[in-house]
Amino acid sequence: GQQLNQSPQSMFIQEGEDVSMNCTSSSIFNTWLWYKQDPGEGPVLLIALYKAGELTSNGRLTAQFGITRKDSFLNISASIPSDVGIYFCAGQLGGSTLGRLYFGRGTQLTVWP
Amino acid sequence: NAGVTQTPKFRILKIGQSMTLQCTQDMNHNYMYWYRQDPGMGLKLIYYSVGAGITDKGEVPNGYNVSRSTTEDFPLRLELAAPSQTSVYFCASSPLGGYTFGSGTRLTVV
Repeated sequence: GQQLNQSPQSMFIQEGEDVSMNCTSSSIFNTWLWYKQDPGEGPVLLIALYKAGELTSNGRLTAQFGITRKDSFLNISASIPSDVGIYFCAGQLGGSTLGRLYFGRGTQLTVWP
Repeated sequence: NAGVTQTPKFRILKIGQSMTLQCTQDMNHNYMYWYRQDPGMGLKLIYYSVGAGITDKGEVPNGYNVSRSTTEDFPLRLELAAPSQTSVYFCASSPLGGYTFGSGTRLTVV
């Protein structure tokens, strides 16, 4: 299957700091998505990106679809304790793969007050 | 609007037992998926369906079976449970695009 390399694996930051994480692939994706998972829950969609170069914001979150279509970045500004969770990148190849998503291994974010 | 509903939330099985994980969505989505999540490994696709009566294997289908008799329901069947199937299982649905996930079933095989 497709391999998405997500980094960092974990982050420990202080409240108020900015956070950056990224995802790379050897394949070209048509869509990049970022999800957040809280403990005991399923992943929830944060941001979806559909065009190379696209920059999209959702509150304090900003994500970009890389120009090469092989990478994506997520930034969180002024982190707060409720940002704690696992963040996953996911990509869709399009074409005959019929909407299948391929996931990175996740970034575990811990925010200290 | 319930979204994607999974039952049960927790289950302990003995090796060799069988069970069905239920998944129902009320959004009239054509696409449905089953993933398993192991610690530090992200989500791996088990099976997916593009509509009622149509299913196909994902990356890790061995030991599982699915059926899709209606648009709403997509149950996952484990016939002979093995310790390697200890995991958290997520069902998701999509109109074709970003998924909506259920809250998961945590399965332990002992």
